[in-house]
Amino acid sequence: DVKVTQSSRYLVKRTGEKVFLECVQDMDHENMFWYRQDPGLGLRLIYFSYDVKMKEKGDIPEGYSVSREKKERFSLILESASTNQTSMYLCASRLTSRGGYEQYFGPGTRLTVT
Amino acid sequence: GDSVTQMEGPVTLSEEAFLTINCTYTATGYPSLFWYVQYPGEGLQLLLKATKADDKGSNKGFEATYRKETTSFHLEKGSVQVSDSAVYFCALSANTGFQKLVFGTGTRLLVSP
Repeated sequence: DVKVTQSSRYLVKRTGEKVFLECVQDMDHENMFWYRQDPGLGLRLIYFSYDVKMKEKGDIPEGYSVSREKKERFSLILESASTNQTSMYLCASRLTSRGGYEQYFGPGTRLTVT
Repeated sequence: GDSVTQMEGPVTLSEEAFLTINCTYTATGYPSLFWYVQYPGEGLQLLLKATKADDKGSNKGFEATYRKETTSFHLEKGSVQVSDSAVYFCALSANTGFQKLVFGTGTRLLVSP
């Protein structure tokens, strides 16, 4: 079974802190994704990565950056956390963009910024 | 751009009732369509999918048919169980390019005994 793990289930940070959210997948997937999930808005794509060291902005990249130095790990970075970044963050991975493969999701990190 | 619209929730049903959750989409070309489910405290998992018009996806008693003429992909189940209580997301992806997923806002289903 594909497993996508996220470093924390719950996280509380203060405004202005630099925050790292880590995601690891164990199936040698090429593609990885970061979403945020907010009530009434569904899932919105923050950043995605085609492959190692490759990254692309999604629909709401402002205030975020990412890093993918190894194929299995995709990190989301909040450079200076703000209260409007309080949300549920979901990581996903996919084998490849060719062929209609599904995305596999991690359990999510609920981040609260105070 | 591409978009997905699904019915507002929560949908509240008694056990063994019939379920329909409506989903319509707007897209250029012929996207693939998905239903994902999120159980409490968990991430999303794929429930079913359909990749072309008139395809029917099915899994765990749930079904959805890709209707190109009405741009719809409604989720149905004949007899729901308490364990089906979850949030259901309709999504699409283009069949060209990077094939990003575009999600609807989600519909919460609450099933009571």
